[in-house]
Amino acid sequence: GQSLEQPSEVTAVEGAIVQINCTYQTSGFYGLSWYQQHDGGAPTFLSYNALDGLEETGRFSSFLSRSDSYGYLLLQELQMKDSASYFCAVRSLLSGNTPLVFGKGTRLSVIA
Amino acid sequence: DAGVIQSPRHEVTEMGQEVTLRCKPISGHDYLFWYRQTMMRGLELLIYFNNNVPIDDSGMPEDRFSAKMPNASFSTLKIQPSEPRDSAVYFCASRKTGDSGNTIYFGEGSWLTVV
Repeated sequence: GQSLEQPSEVTAVEGAIVQINCTYQTSGFYGLSWYQQHDGGAPTFLSYNALDGLEETGRFSSFLSRSDSYGYLLLQELQMKDSASYFCAVRSLLSGNTPLVFGKGTRLSVIA
Repeated sequence: DAGVIQSPRHEVTEMGQEVTLRCKPISGHDYLFWYRQTMMRGLELLIYFNNNVPIDDSGMPEDRFSAKMPNASFSTLKIQPSEPRDSAVYFCASRKTGDSGNTIYFGEGSWLTVV
């Protein structure tokens, strides 16, 4: 089976940097994804790591260490609009077309 | 391009009533997923289809839940009879074979309240 662990809540100050960690256990690994969900909205894709290392997309970066079954999402220059829930996700099996299994999500609150 | 379209957006129904949620995936996408989201359990996969065929329905909570995909552009999730514990947000999502990464596209969700 699969399981993902991430903190339930994080609070950070506007303009600061925040890191949201995710550890996972899965029978087959096909990459770690991150999704963002604003209150009342749909989850939307943020980033994907298939290989070890850091992927950067603007203010957001995502890191993966497959040997440690660990990844994180890094948000820089935090803005109020970044207040949302962030989910890490892995595939259910070692296949590119099996469904994603999501963590419980980390609720990020950005304060002034 | 239109995204995944779900209806209704909000539904309040009485316990025991039948509920039908509808989804139109993105055109050309061959995978369709139904997820349920609650505070306690997070995002749970209920069932998914590939080329209109149900592949895995092990996440469907019980026989009161059923899903169909009669064609590539339409799917339904039905709850009969509904119970208060079914109150949740139900998301439909789709993806296309060969799309890079782990990207799936979610609809805006159907907010179901059973009273």
